[in-house]
Amino acid sequence: EPEVTQTPSHQVTQMGQEVILRCVPISNHLYFYWYRQILGQKVEFLVSFYNNEISEKSEIFDDQFSVERPDGSNFTLKIRSTKLEDSAMYFCASSDLAATSTDTQYFGPGTRLTVL
Amino acid sequence: LAKTTQPISMDSYEGQEVNITCSHNNIATNDYITWYQQFPSQGPRFIIQGYKTKVTNEVASLFIPADRKSSTLSLPRVSLSDTAVYYCLVGDPFSSNTGKLIFGQGTTLQVKP
Repeated sequence: EPEVTQTPSHQVTQMGQEVILRCVPISNHLYFYWYRQILGQKVEFLVSFYNNEISEKSEIFDDQFSVERPDGSNFTLKIRSTKLEDSAMYFCASSDLAATSTDTQYFGPGTRLTVL
Repeated sequence: LAKTTQPISMDSYEGQEVNITCSHNNIATNDYITWYQQFPSQGPRFIIQGYKTKVTNEVASLFIPADRKSSTLSLPRVSLSDTAVYYCLVGDPFSSNTGKLIFGQGTTLQVKP
């Protein structure tokens, strides 16, 4: 069964540093998402991406965040200057053409980001 | 997505059937009900989706009464590996939105031996 992969599994960084979280969505999917989950809290939507542009972003996704699909397979989330409160599990998800169906999002295993 | 209410936690024992009920009083005509499962330190995983009556797959059953103001996820004969957080989401899968999912706190199911 195809799956979404994410690297690294765990990233430790110093406050103020830039981090790039990488995701490889399922190959025939066209819609891509980032979510985050602070320890003990609920999963929060960050951004959706389609046709090489952001479709929607949440209030959390401020100017410090950016997303990119640099090639045909990777989807990245960049945090320009990390803050302590950015520490969380970051999940990438993808879905196929039927992206408006709530059952077609496939999540990756997540990257645990720790900001010191 | 419509607001949902579900119990924060539930306990069960191996081999028992578990029913998790979700309330969604303001469900709209075009809304579907979807359940996701999340194991510790993993991403959410789709379990089941339905519109009305009953839906069954290899993992679970979903019961939706006629008024659709609630739904019940049924897990038959749970095992320790079913310990997870279960999320109920309600929304219109055919609307022209961006597909974002809005997760609540979910129900933490603890299965004991």
